[in-house]
Amino acid sequence: SQQGEEDPQALSIQEGENATMNCSYKTSINNLQWYRQNSGRGLVHLILIRSNEREKHSGRLRVTLDTSKESSSLLITASRAADTASYFCFSGGYNKLIFGAGTRLAVHP
Amino acid sequence: DAGVTQSPTHLIKTRGQQVTLRCSPKSGHDTVSWYQQALGQGPQFIFQYYEEEERQRGNFPDRFSGHQFPNYSSELNVNALLLGDSALYLCASSLGAGAGETQYFGPGTRLLVL
Repeated sequence: SQQGEEDPQALSIQEGENATMNCSYKTSINNLQWYRQNSGRGLVHLILIRSNEREKHSGRLRVTLDTSKESSSLLITASRAADTASYFCFSGGYNKLIFGAGTRLAVHP
Repeated sequence: DAGVTQSPTHLIKTRGQQVTLRCSPKSGHDTVSWYQQALGQGPQFIFQYYEEEERQRGNFPDRFSGHQFPNYSSELNVNALLLGDSALYLCASSLGAGAGETQYFGPGTRLLVL
C-alpha cells in the first residue's frame, strides 16, 4: 500500500466540541492537503499547507505541518453535525501523490 | 462553471471483462489523475495525465491504462478484471501536473466485479 497513516481511524464527538486528526507521511512533499469525503462520494478540498509553512487557518479549520516529524494535524473547531464525514490527508510529493487511510468523524447533535 | 464529471456512475462487470471509465475535467484544467478507492480505505493513486501523456504512475499493473484527449478529458481502461478491482474510481482534475496541485474530484464510478 502507498497510503500514509492517519489517527485516529474513527472519532466520535458532540456538536460544539473540537476534533483533531493527525496524519503521518513518508515522502518529501511540496505541500500537504486535507480533503473531506461524505458517504463514499467525491472528495472535497479543504485546505493546503506548503512545506515551508507551519500553520494555516481557514474558517473553523486549523492545520499544522511539522516536516521534521513528517506529520500534520487538522483541527476542526466548534464542530457541527454537518462535519460528519471522512477526512483524508494528501501528501503532494514530487514523485508520489499519496492519500492517508482517513479518519471517520461522527459529530452527534 | 462545470465541475468534474464522470461516467458511468455505476457499473457491474464479470471477471475477465474489460471496462472503460470516462472523466471530463473542470473547465480550465489540463491535468487528470485517477484514483482507486476500496471500501473503507483512502484513495490510491493510479496515474496522472498531462498534455496527453502519462506523467506519473502508482503501483498498479499494466492492466490499468489510460488516455487523455486533446480536450483534456480522460479514460481509464482496466483489462482482465479481477474481483479485487471492485472499488470506487475517482477522477480528479487540476491545473498543471506536478507536485500535488489542488485537485477537484468527480463523484466517482462505482465498479462491481462479479
